[in-house]
Amino acid sequence: AQKITQTQPGMFVQEKEAVTLDCTYDTSDPSYGLFWYKQPSSGEMIFLIYQGSYDQQNATEGRYSLNFQKARKSANLVISASQLGDSAMYFCAMREAVRFRSNQFYFGTGTSLTVIP
Amino acid sequence: NAGVTQTPKFQVLKTGQSMTLQCAQDMNHEYMSWYRQDPGMGLRLIHYSVGAGITDQGEVPNGYNVSRSTTEDFPLRLLSAAPSQTSVYFCASSPLGHHGYTFGSGTRLTVV
Repeated sequence: AQKITQTQPGMFVQEKEAVTLDCTYDTSDPSYGLFWYKQPSSGEMIFLIYQGSYDQQNATEGRYSLNFQKARKSANLVISASQLGDSAMYFCAMREAVRFRSNQFYFGTGTSLTVIP
Repeated sequence: NAGVTQTPKFQVLKTGQSMTLQCAQDMNHEYMSWYRQDPGMGLRLIHYSVGAGITDQGEVPNGYNVSRSTTEDFPLRLLSAAPSQTSVYFCASSPLGHHGYTFGSGTRLTVV
């Protein structure tokens, strides 16, 4: 079974609008972390936001917020006030506590976001 | 600038050739890892290291070797390149228990 599922291969959003990128995960480990990374066309991977499984509040980092619904096993990324520079691939990832030593992340297949002027 | 440096950025190999992808970080990170990125499959862990002299296999280790003689360097060796190893390779590092990786800029490898 896939550990991380991103069902939106591509998304379009109007500049200055908000957009939600979906991510669901699968784990039986009670302790885990959820991450979002951005990959611009230049290819580098940029860490955006982190949510721990025991965190009571949704994580926020500037215009990025993570809508964490533990019972649904979803960790959607919300980007507010989209900018042209937000056009990129976005990857959801998970690290389970049992994999803490290896620091192994499981990545989804990504969502390509295009911001329209 | 501090970060993770990968070389080369692009490489074309013939089937059966060997080569080493270089990775160096200057942040004194304990963890270093190699991932490969293939279309429609996300990133998958090849090998990782939790410190100098310690390495272990990830999800897709076959056909690759690693070593970690220093904290800074974590080279990835392709022993006998195959077309199935055509991919983009990322080196990543993090401090112990940190919440996110710092990634290198990637190496695009084509095996013909």
